[in-house]
Amino acid sequence: GAGVSQSPSNKVTEKGKDVELRCDPISGHTALYWYRQSLGQGLEFLIYFQGNSAPDKSGLPSDRFSAERTGGSVSTLTIQRTQQEDSAVYLCASSLYVDQPQHFGDGTRLSIL
Amino acid sequence: AQSVTQLDSQVPVFEEAPVELRCNYSSSVSVYLFWYVQYPNQGLQLLLKYLSGSTLVKGINGFEAEFNKSQTSFHLRKPSVHISDTAEYFCAVWVTGGTSYGKLTFGQGTILTVHP
Repeated sequence: GAGVSQSPSNKVTEKGKDVELRCDPISGHTALYWYRQSLGQGLEFLIYFQGNSAPDKSGLPSDRFSAERTGGSVSTLTIQRTQQEDSAVYLCASSLYVDQPQHFGDGTRLSIL
Repeated sequence: AQSVTQLDSQVPVFEEAPVELRCNYSSSVSVYLFWYVQYPNQGLQLLLKYLSGSTLVKGINGFEAEFNKSQTSFHLRKPSVHISDTAEYFCAVWVTGGTSYGKLTFGQGTILTVHP
């Protein structure tokens, strides 16, 4: 069956612009997660959703980062006024329930010029 | 808070040799443990998981890992590696309660390079 789908696969943008990253989880998965992978910081948790609610936003690095999930399915991660330190691979994962193994998409590689 | 330490950042090995990738964790609550593999320009693929029960777990591609609660370790092993096993491997923990519920905490990764 279809896995976790992320778009775009690559995004290059200028510093100061806003970007939206999209994640389409595995059908039927109730939990959705965003992680960031960068050379200096490794894999970092950003936020997770159970249904449409986000019980834990503690990993979002600044108030320029926000995420939403509508209809218990697709999620978007928005970064406003991008900075060069936002350059990273943003990975999305989903799981059937929160206590089940997470399945990852191939990520969005974000480059800030 | 929980943490994961992967003791080797890089492991070179010859084809058909055995390999062990080491992982230690710390947590004040009980955990689930995972190993993921990442090939270049791809996401993370689940290799194996320990949730409960037998401490020796078998995964895909001939990998296995053993959960050792007293040593807080979850080392990954394969008796005979192939060139195609060249990738980066991540150990991760998921806590079963507390403020960190819901998120995976990853180690820094181990790059396994298999030489012919």
